[in-house]
Amino acid sequence: DAGITQSPRYKITETGRQVTLMCHQTWSHSYMFWYRQDLGHGLRLIYYSAAADITDKGEVPDGYVVSRSKTENFPLTLESATRSQTSVYFCASRLSLGEAFFGQGTRLTVV
Amino acid sequence: DAKTTQPPSMDCAEGRAANLPCNHSTISGNEYVYWYRQIHSQGPQYIIHGLKNNETNEMASLIITEDRKSSTLILPHATLRDTAVYYCIVRVEGTGKLIFGQGTTLQVKP
Repeated sequence: DAGITQSPRYKITETGRQVTLMCHQTWSHSYMFWYRQDLGHGLRLIYYSAAADITDKGEVPDGYVVSRSKTENFPLTLESATRSQTSVYFCASRLSLGEAFFGQGTRLTVV
Repeated sequence: DAKTTQPPSMDCAEGRAANLPCNHSTISGNEYVYWYRQIHSQGPQYIIHGLKNNETNEMASLIITEDRKSSTLILPHATLRDTAVYYCIVRVEGTGKLIFGQGTTLQVKP
């Protein structure tokens, strides 16, 4: 199916564990983004990527790692999950201009 | 980075036009203004964007002032399904990244 998909949709993990959130897009968009949204707040940019093998920090990168070996995939890894990383995570993609398309989100709970 | 300022909340009667303001006084010459909305807990949805001229599509109209320091998103006939958080964003020049502010919560009332 065409579009942008995130997996898993829901995840519960324990403090200190490593967890990876997946994002896949089928449009070959150059830009991809990861945002987090805490309950009752707006979206904050974690990391973004302008192309394969090019990534850059956003507003709140600490505790997260990204990679982009292929244009269509942009995984986000929490190296050692903390309770403060409990959030909804959104992935997005876009061309250099124009609209960004967002995934449905991954609801992560760290216990 | 250009910052945006939006009122935290607004109400609108169903069927009436909803006018959502945004201030972006530090916008630079070739930065675009984007509008997105987020309905409940879904992923944000693109609405419209513009540079200097007013823009219109099937969802909304975007009015940008001549000095480009502010803009207004207009939903011409608001429905209950337009209840959402609306974000005004200035695209950061040269990077492509989108920085979201706090947005305006629009409540459309019957």
